[in-house]
Amino acid sequence: DAGVIQSPRHEVTEMGQEVTLRCKPISGHDYLFWYRQTMMRGLELLIYFNNNVPIDDSGMPEDRFSAKMPNASFSTLKIQPSEPRDSAVYFCASSGGQGATDTQYFGPGTRLTVL
Amino acid sequence: AQSVAQPEDQVNVAEGNPLTVKCTYSVSGNPYLFWYVQYPNRGLQFLLKYITGDNLVKGSYGFEAEFNKSQTSFHLKKPSALVSDSALYFCAVRDKAGRRALTFGSGTRLQVQP
Repeated sequence: DAGVIQSPRHEVTEMGQEVTLRCKPISGHDYLFWYRQTMMRGLELLIYFNNNVPIDDSGMPEDRFSAKMPNASFSTLKIQPSEPRDSAVYFCASSGGQGATDTQYFGPGTRLTVL
Repeated sequence: AQSVAQPEDQVNVAEGNPLTVKCTYSVSGNPYLFWYVQYPNRGLQFLLKYITGDNLVKGSYGFEAEFNKSQTSFHLKKPSALVSDSALYFCAVRDKAGRRALTFGSGTRLQVQP
């Protein structure tokens, strides 16, 4: 399996612009997670889905952030408008599937820089 | 609420010596515990987990961890460190009966000197 795929790997944008991050989970996994990593706050959950349905979005910072999972093989995290404090590495992870385990497998991350 | 503490920002060890990276946790119910490793500019890589059963869990690359319920600890260990083990290590927990998302510790940087 190719593992969790994220794109882009790096994104540099200016304050106020819309940013869309993309994730393809491991085939057969039914849970998808979005995490954010910063120096100040470490790794924190933003939102997670089960069978394409958002289950817990309590970590989404504010209305500028939105996430969707239109099908089992694709999810997006959108920031509109972006701000410099959104600069971080955003990770997508997936878990579950047949013989389900609780191990979350992480993608390589998207490093976002908002100028 | 659940939490994880990794009391050491950095651990230094000489190659060939045993290493320990400490982790304590707090969770209301039964814990699922995980260790991940992160190399520079890479994602998190799963090392091992405790779900149930034996308190000593063996994982990838010769790492192991011991679950201690009374001390609420899950320390990561390796008998003989390699320079290539140098990386950032994260401990994580979730409540068995709770939400699926993981709560991570702040991370411990392991430096193995040749």
